[in-house]
Amino acid sequence: QLLLQESGPGLVKPSETLSLSCTVSGGSISSGVYFWGWIRQPPGQGLEWIASIDYSGTSHYVPSLRSRLTVSVDTSQNQFSLKVNSVTVADTALYYCVRQRRAINERGAVDIWGQGTMVIVSS
Amino acid sequence: DIQMTQSPSSLSASVGDRVTITCRASQSINRNLNWYQQKPGKAPKLLIYAASSLQSGVPSRFSGSGSGTDFTLTINNLQPEDFATYYCQQSYNNPRGTFGQGTKVEIK
Repeated sequence: QLLLQESGPGLVKPSETLSLSCTVSGGSISSGVYFWGWIRQPPGQGLEWIASIDYSGTSHYVPSLRSRLTVSVDTSQNQFSLKVNSVTVADTALYYCVRQRRAINERGAVDIWGQGTMVIVSS
Repeated sequence: DIQMTQSPSSLSASVGDRVTITCRASQSINRNLNWYQQKPGKAPKLLIYAASSLQSGVPSRFSGSGSGTDFTLTINNLQPEDFATYYCQQSYNNPRGTFGQGTKVEIK
């Protein structure tokens, strides 16, 4: 059974960089049939897809945050990571790492989620 | 960007009821629409993918329909464990995918 586990600081100061990692266990991140992504959820609000990457390093970002996001993959460690630059209080959210399907008849379905890691932006 | 509008934002229902949630896309997304269930303090769970395909392990009382811009999630014979928030997600430009704002199903 494939599992995803997020790690990172729970508290980040405004204007600093948020760095999160996701460790994949029970399967290989090098499978070409999936994207590996990040979805966030501000407290009491809905879900927002923000970034995804495949095993080769091809990345995709939500346009509204593109200039502040970097997603990367480390196949040797079976991990992928997210950096958010110049954070503000608006970046306070529960951040989930996820697996997204690529197959043509099930494209984009997020079938595996990490438990989520809460990030608070505050001085 | 493709916008997703869910309705209603919340509803009250009783055990045994049939519940219908709708999701409308701002442009045609063919059948690239997924549905999720989220319970408090938990990660969302995939229910339906590609508009109408039931994810493995999901009870058959859940069903999805639609194509183009209009989609529906139906829950037949609502069970106590179904009280949760439901989200639609378009995946037309996979992996970029926007979510609806959610529909909270509460106990009447």
